[in-house]
Amino acid sequence: DSGVTQTPKHLITATGQRVTLRCSPRSGDLSVYWYQQSLDQGLQFLIQYYNGEERAKGNILERFSAQQFPDLHSELNLSSLELGDSALYFCASSVDDRKNYGYTFGSGTRLTVV
Amino acid sequence: GESVGLHLPTLSVQEGDNSIINCAYSNSASDYFIWYKQESGKGPQFIIDIRSNMDKRQGQRVTVLLNKTVKHLSLQIAATQPGDSAVYFCVRDNDMRFGAGTRLTVKP
Repeated sequence: DSGVTQTPKHLITATGQRVTLRCSPRSGDLSVYWYQQSLDQGLQFLIQYYNGEERAKGNILERFSAQQFPDLHSELNLSSLELGDSALYFCASSVDDRKNYGYTFGSGTRLTVV
Repeated sequence: GESVGLHLPTLSVQEGDNSIINCAYSNSASDYFIWYKQESGKGPQFIIDIRSNMDKRQGQRVTVLLNKTVKHLSLQIAATQPGDSAVYFCVRDNDMRFGAGTRLTVKP
């Protein structure tokens, strides 16, 4: 157990629907990062939050949004889902904003859009 | 484009041999590099890190070498085992991008 908790582990939904993925960072970590990994693809950075504020944006679609709450857990909202959004979504956390100690990853949420 | 890049997308080695995975970076702004291992269906896992004031760092069966002159780092795995089969990523501290990684396959 890495200390980063992601729920749900698996999610199957239909095209056009909206889902919310949840992440609880490791205790003491203030930064949360979201990544998307499609089949046999590398990890695509989506977005980072630090202590409740958006800190960096990557290849995140406009249909996707995220937020980090006062208790530091984060949610990734995916709307108007398309077949191509099927992927593993990983959350990672780090102690600070500069990631001087690396990331700790959760076990991911596998999203299947049918 | 990527600020760090792995040299080979795939690497196949015989069990018991040593593995070397190479990575190049494009500028010297970073002072911290991390290697991650991702097994199938799991999240990436921290293996070892190195800061720019070091040339070499050793862990259990793994060694990372940093050559700042040619902006290159490598991950060496001694006596590679089937459990080492995974995708390996090198990442700079101030760069959230992981790239495609190198897939290491260990043949029995």
